[in-house]
Amino acid sequence: KNQVEQSPQSLIILEGKNCTLQCNYTVSPFSNLRWYKQDTGRGPVSLTIMTFSENTKSNGRYTATLDADTKQSSLHITASQLSDSASYICVVSFTGGGNKLTFGTGTQLKVEL
Amino acid sequence: DAGVTQSPTHLIKTRGQQVTLRCSPKSGHDTVSWYQQALGQGPQFIFQYYEEEERQRGNFPDRFSGHQFPNYSSELNVNALLLGDSALYLCASSSPVDRAKNIQYFGAGTRLSVL
Repeated sequence: KNQVEQSPQSLIILEGKNCTLQCNYTVSPFSNLRWYKQDTGRGPVSLTIMTFSENTKSNGRYTATLDADTKQSSLHITASQLSDSASYICVVSFTGGGNKLTFGTGTQLKVEL
Repeated sequence: DAGVTQSPTHLIKTRGQQVTLRCSPKSGHDTVSWYQQALGQGPQFIFQYYEEEERQRGNFPDRFSGHQFPNYSSELNVNALLLGDSALYLCASSSPVDRAKNIQYFGAGTRLSVL
């Protein structure tokens, strides 16, 4: 069964600090992996998308890495801001899965003063 | 250019009732996918429509049905509502190019509460 697991489940950091969120997947064969940011009660917004051949992708203060051999990805947030408080979801699609995406349960990040 | 729009934003129903949720895709998008997101969980795929037909379906009972109109907008219908149907229902749209790359753009969702 294709699965996506994220850690930690929740995280509290001080404004200005950096943090790293983890994603492990068993989806096979792999097509691409993306990170979404979801504010409470809102739809997910795409941060990065990486294919099998890419191992890093940046979007402002967000940097995602991918190790397709170990089936692990991380999302690094630099110089966190209060507005970064949200759920961060790792989403994997697999070849032959049509347009279905396999979602992780997310990491709930809270940035405090 | 409007993004993916969903209506209503919030809805309260009682057990056994029926509900219809609506979604308008982004301009130029012909594919609509529906997801159910329970509190604290990741979205679960319900089904996908393009060319006015259901193309793929997740593990949801027949109480969940949908429709796509010629203008690409879509409806999600849920019959005989259960308490467990309470969730955020997300609609995502794709263009033909996006669909090939599995890229989807999400709406803000409809929050359904079943009492």
